[in-house]
Amino acid sequence: ELKVEQNPLFLSMQEGKNYTIYCNYSTTSDRLYWYRQDPGKSLESLFVLLSNGAVKQEGRLMASLDTKARLSTLHITAAVHDLSATYFCAVVENNTDKLIFGTGTRLQVFP
Amino acid sequence: GAGVSQSPSNKVTEKGKDVELRCDPISGHTALYWYRQSLGQGLEFLIYFQGNSAPDKSGLPSDRFSAERTGGSVSTLTIQRTQQEDSAVYLCASSLLSPYEQYFGPGTRLTVT
Repeated sequence: ELKVEQNPLFLSMQEGKNYTIYCNYSTTSDRLYWYRQDPGKSLESLFVLLSNGAVKQEGRLMASLDTKARLSTLHITAAVHDLSATYFCAVVENNTDKLIFGTGTRLQVFP
Repeated sequence: GAGVSQSPSNKVTEKGKDVELRCDPISGHTALYWYRQSLGQGLEFLIYFQGNSAPDKSGLPSDRFSAERTGGSVSTLTIQRTQQEDSAVYLCASSLLSPYEQYFGPGTRLTVT
């Protein structure tokens, strides 16, 4: 059974700082997604990572995938308040099309 | 273009009643998914439809839950004899083709009293 773990669960960081969120999964998969969720809102797609070594960047966020280590990272550069949200990674279970979500990382950026 | 829409946005029901939640996927998307988000359980997969194939129902928590997708478009998630533990936000997503990017609707917040 595929399990997805994220850490940290909660992250409070100062504006301008850098930090990384980690997503580990337990069984083979080559498809991983990062989503953002604002309070009371639905999920917004951030990144789709489909191959080993994939790296994608959008603004202050950069995501990478290492399928051999079963690890994805979401790196935040020079955080700003607008990045405050909950971030989820989700992994597609091989031989199915189910998305298995991590626990989420609640990010709070303060001045 | 129009995204995934869900109705109602909020539903309050009494324990034991049946409820129906509706999802309109993005036009042309062949894959449709239902998920549930609750405080205790996080985001859970419920059921998945792909074209005319038999749905993957492996995430449905009990036989009180069922879903159908008519004409390959609109989907309805039905919960019979609702229980308080069914209270959650029910999210629908669609994708052009499995396994590509899933686009999520705004969700239906279900409260069972």
